[in-house]
Amino acid sequence: GENVEQHPSTLSVQEGDSAVIKCTYSDSASNYFPWYKQELGKGPQLIIDIRSNVGEKKDQRIAVTLNKTAKHFSLHITETQPEDSAVYFCAASEGTYKYIFGTGTRLKVLA
Amino acid sequence: GAGVSQTPSNKVTEKGKYVELRCDPISGHTALYWYRQSLGQGPEFLIYFQGTGAADDSGLPNDRFFAVRPEGSVSTLKIQRTERGDSAVYLCASSQGHTGELFFGEGSRLTVL
Repeated sequence: GENVEQHPSTLSVQEGDSAVIKCTYSDSASNYFPWYKQELGKGPQLIIDIRSNVGEKKDQRIAVTLNKTAKHFSLHITETQPEDSAVYFCAASEGTYKYIFGTGTRLKVLA
Repeated sequence: GAGVSQTPSNKVTEKGKYVELRCDPISGHTALYWYRQSLGQGPEFLIYFQGTGAADDSGLPNDRFFAVRPEGSVSTLKIQRTERGDSAVYLCASSQGHTGELFFGEGSRLTVL
């Protein structure tokens, strides 16, 4: 079955700097890759997603890149702000409901 | 509009007891999912409902776990003979069809003493 690895587990950046979180997956059949942000005591919230027919997608300060050949995808956050501090999860699926999540990255943006 | 609502938000029980966790999805969402999140881990899939039927229950860890969605809206996750290893946050999500964005609730934190 699918296995998703996520790095780093924790990441601290200065406000205004960029943050990059990386994930790898094992199942070449996976074709949908969402990223979720989870704040303390809340459920995960979708922030951006990418499908396998696209190599990059951007939404304001957030971007995701996908390398299907290498089976890895990354989340890029530019101009980080304190409110970006949270746990971020990547996931992979075959385009349906069964998401396989990574273990999460705790991002701290230092003011 | 209301999001996915889960009750209780916290549940403490003793080993061996029976527990029910409730999920009220976003109105009109036909698909409903249960995931389990252990401390420091990502959510793990448990079960998926399309309408009233469980389309995929392959993630349920054993036969102590059961879920229903009798009228195609509210769902209840039932855990019998709870064990300490069942302690986790149980997340419910819903979506418009099974390929739509998953909207998660805030979860029910279960602690088994």
